[in-house]
Amino acid sequence: QKEVEQDPGPLSVPEGAIVSLNCTYSNSAFQYFMWYRQYSRKGPELLMYTYSSGNKEDGRFTAQVDKSSKYISLFIRDSQPSDSATYLCAMSQQGAQKLVFGQGTRLTINP
Amino acid sequence: GAGVSQSPRYKVTKRGQDVTLRCDPISSHATLYWYQQALGQGPEFLTYFNYEAQPDKSGLPSDRFSAERPEGSISTLTIQRTEQRDSAMYRCASSSGLAKDTQYFGPGTRLTVL
Repeated sequence: QKEVEQDPGPLSVPEGAIVSLNCTYSNSAFQYFMWYRQYSRKGPELLMYTYSSGNKEDGRFTAQVDKSSKYISLFIRDSQPSDSATYLCAMSQQGAQKLVFGQGTRLTINP
Repeated sequence: GAGVSQSPRYKVTKRGQDVTLRCDPISSHATLYWYQQALGQGPEFLTYFNYEAQPDKSGLPSDRFSAERPEGSISTLTIQRTEQRDSAMYRCASSSGLAKDTQYFGPGTRLTVL
C-alpha cells in the first residue's frame, strides 16, 4: 500500500461546478500538506500549502487537512476551463526534505 | 535563472547505454531535488542536495543511479547500463533550503530506453 492514495480519475465537470479532490495517507508523521497543479507537458507547480490540520483559502481554492482521519481535500469553486489539469497532493514530515506525492487526479472542466 | 531548467528535454537511448541528465536550479536556491515520474503517476523522490552535500539518496532505485552537484549549483543524474524500466520523466526541483519551502519543478527530461 502506498503512503499516499489519490483517485486518479479522470474527473470531468461542467464549468462553474464545485470540484472536490481528495487524498488519504497512512503516515501520521506527515505535517506539511500541499497541492500541486500540473498542466500537460509541464512540471508541477505549487497551488496550496497547509501546515498541520485546518483550512486554508486562496481565492477560489480551499485546502482542508484532517489529521485525525489522515485525509486532505482541495475544493475549487466556480471552476473554469483553465483549471483543467492534473492535481497532485504531496506531503512531507517535519524536518524532512522529500515530498511524497499521490498519483494525481486528472481534472477536466467542460465549457 | 528565472526558473529550473533541465536538459535534454527528451532522450532516447538503447538498453545498456549510460545517460546523464542535467539540472540547472534557480540561482539562489540551496537545495536541489531529483524525482522520477512514471506516466500517470506522481513524482517519486530519488535524492536531494543541500549545496554540494547529498544527505539523502534513499530513493535511488539501484546503484546504477547516481547524482552529483560538485559546485553546489548545477546537478547531473547519471543512469548506468540503462534498462527499459528506467523509462520515465525525470524531474528536478529546487528550493531555498528549509524543509517547508516551496519546491519549484523544472520541465523534466523524458527518458525512453529501447
